Amino acid sequence: KNEVEQSPQNLTAQEGEFITINCSYSVGISALHWLQQHPGGGIVSLFMLSSGKKKHGRLIATINIQEKHSSLHITASHPRDSAVYICAVSSNQFYFGTGTSLTVIP
Amino acid sequence: DVKVTQSSRYLVKRTGEKVFLECVQDMDHENMFWYRQDPGLGLRLIYFSYDVKMKEKGDIPEGYSVSREKKERFSLILESASTNQTSMYLCASRRGDRGLGQPQHFGDGTRLSIL
Repeated sequence: KNEVEQSPQNLTAQEGEFITINCSYSVGISALHWLQQHPGGGIVSLFMLSSGKKKHGRLIATINIQEKHSSLHITASHPRDSAVYICAVSSNQFYFGTGTSLTVIP
Repeated sequence: DVKVTQSSRYLVKRTGEKVFLECVQDMDHENMFWYRQDPGLGLRLIYFSYDVKMKEKGDIPEGYSVSREKKERFSLILESASTNQTSMYLCASRRGDRGLGQPQHFGDGTRLSIL
């Protein structure tokens, strides 16, 4: 049983496309995190949110606490956005989704 | 900016060896974590530490131990390495307020191969 489910697992998009990655969770949380992992391994925190919506450049993250669902949107996607995007939640511990591998083709 | 440094990016060891993975953070964080990451399984928690000399088992502690003698350093030890411990190992740290959803800061990872 996975406390955090992400979809899709893999995603290929053309440069410029609008991208959405979804995350559903089943535990009570204090915050939800979107992480980015580039080839080579290092993980960077993109967003931490507990309600509503946050925006940073071309990235937008939303969360619906009642529905236990979050989305990460990328507008005007670019090849440098190619990475694995991981949804994680802070509960009594951290729970991680298995990641969405995004490839943006020029 | 928080810096979490893992001692090696790539490491190759032999079955049966004792392996040490080191992690150092420079932000005086109380909490530190060791994960392994495998394709299709995501990040799985091996051990974590809430403070110096404190350690707690995560989801997959078998075959591993840890040491936290100083606040800034958290070591992962493979007592007798086996091929099924070939994986990407990630260290993370965060401020020590458990209930408030503080973000974790990750190192660059160590890709460990056991032959």
